[in-house]
Amino acid sequence: AQSVSQHNHHVILSEAASLELGCNYSYGGTVNLFWYVQYPGQHLQLLLKYFSGDPLVKGIKGFEAEFIKSKFSFNLRKPSVQWSDTAEYFCAVTTNAGKSTFGDGTTLTVKP
Amino acid sequence: SQTIHQWPATLVQPVGSPLSLECTVEGTSNPNLYWYRQAAGRGLQLLFYSVGIGQISSEVPQNLSASRPQDRQFILSSKKLLLSDSGFYLCACWVPGATGELFFGEGSRLTVL
Repeated sequence: AQSVSQHNHHVILSEAASLELGCNYSYGGTVNLFWYVQYPGQHLQLLLKYFSGDPLVKGIKGFEAEFIKSKFSFNLRKPSVQWSDTAEYFCAVTTNAGKSTFGDGTTLTVKP
Repeated sequence: SQTIHQWPATLVQPVGSPLSLECTVEGTSNPNLYWYRQAAGRGLQLLFYSVGIGQISSEVPQNLSASRPQDRQFILSSKKLLLSDSGFYLCACWVPGATGELFFGEGSRLTVL
């Protein structure tokens, strides 16, 4: 069975700082990888995804993630965070049709 | 695009009472549907999924059950709630052949007292 590990449970940054959230997964086959975000009071929504092709994928609001197959990683990055990026971030792996395994989530707090 | 509605948004129930959380989907047909439970610091745990009407798969043994009486309706139920059933329940939708991600409802927060 697949598993997902997010290294940081809570990250606190000042505005304009750079962000990197770690995500490692465990699965021997082909995976589809996702980052979802949940802003305060809102529902979960897709931030970005990787299916195939260029391992560097770009999502909404300036976020990007890099799939490194040899490291089973899919880390999320943003060069300069904003206060509005305060949210909870989830990494997910999908191996069967829509049946996803999620990490425990990382709460990001950006101080203005 | 698809929209997922969940209700009620908030529910407070006594131990031993029944439960019914409802999820309906608009904007798509023949979706796969999922019930997740989200616990603080614990991520999302898949409880049930359904690939079609009347087809339910359970991922973890528990006090809850699910049903799919119509293509775009997914219900989470319990005959007798336990304290440990408290949590935040999310319904999600996945459309085969589409863009690949899950679409989520806004969730139902259940408190069992």
